[in-house]
Amino acid sequence: KAGVTQTPRYLIKTRGQQVTLSCSPISGHRSVSWYQQTPGQGLQFLFEYFSETQRNKGNFPGRFSGRQFSNSRSEMNVSTLELGDSALYLCASSLEGRRETQYFGPGTRLLVL
Amino acid sequence: SQQGEEDPQALSIQEGENATMNCSYKTSINNLQWYRQNSGRGLVHLILIRSNEREKHSGRLRVTLDTSKKSSSLLITASRAADTASYFCATDEAGNMLTFGGGTRLMVKP
Repeated sequence: KAGVTQTPRYLIKTRGQQVTLSCSPISGHRSVSWYQQTPGQGLQFLFEYFSETQRNKGNFPGRFSGRQFSNSRSEMNVSTLELGDSALYLCASSLEGRRETQYFGPGTRLLVL
Repeated sequence: SQQGEEDPQALSIQEGENATMNCSYKTSINNLQWYRQNSGRGLVHLILIRSNEREKHSGRLRVTLDTSKKSSSLLITASRAADTASYFCATDEAGNMLTFGGGTRLMVKP
């Protein structure tokens, strides 16, 4: 089976812009989770989607949003970008959710200037 | 917030030596997982240990879990240069999300 794919791999934006990141999970996986990784804060949970519904949400402002499509592909959007949003954004998929093995994609590295 | 906390934050050893990393957590868990991350890339799942298990092996990896002390350890035996990476523990807060610790950066010198 193909692994989790994320696009784009690298992105440079300026403050105030918005960005959309995409994640395609492993075929058959219904749960997709998003994480933000920064040197200062480490790996932080953003949200989890399961069967097109947001099931859990981390402690991030409303500028961070996401959605999941019927084919389980997921997108996350960050509006009004701030310098502090520069990070590696990781997507992970699993069959049923958080208590299982998570399969991670390679990540999207976002740089906000 | 991070529930799991790894110790040490960094570890440097010679090839062939064993590496031990520890993880502590605060609340009750259903399972604890260990992941590896090579520089700036995605995480790779290593092993999952459930709360009713005390020890688990996978190849050169040995994981222990002590729920009374709320701690876990990851032992890599006969380390190789290719084991150089960051290692993270992750726990499932009941009814919530998978939370990761700050990680241990392991360097294995050839």
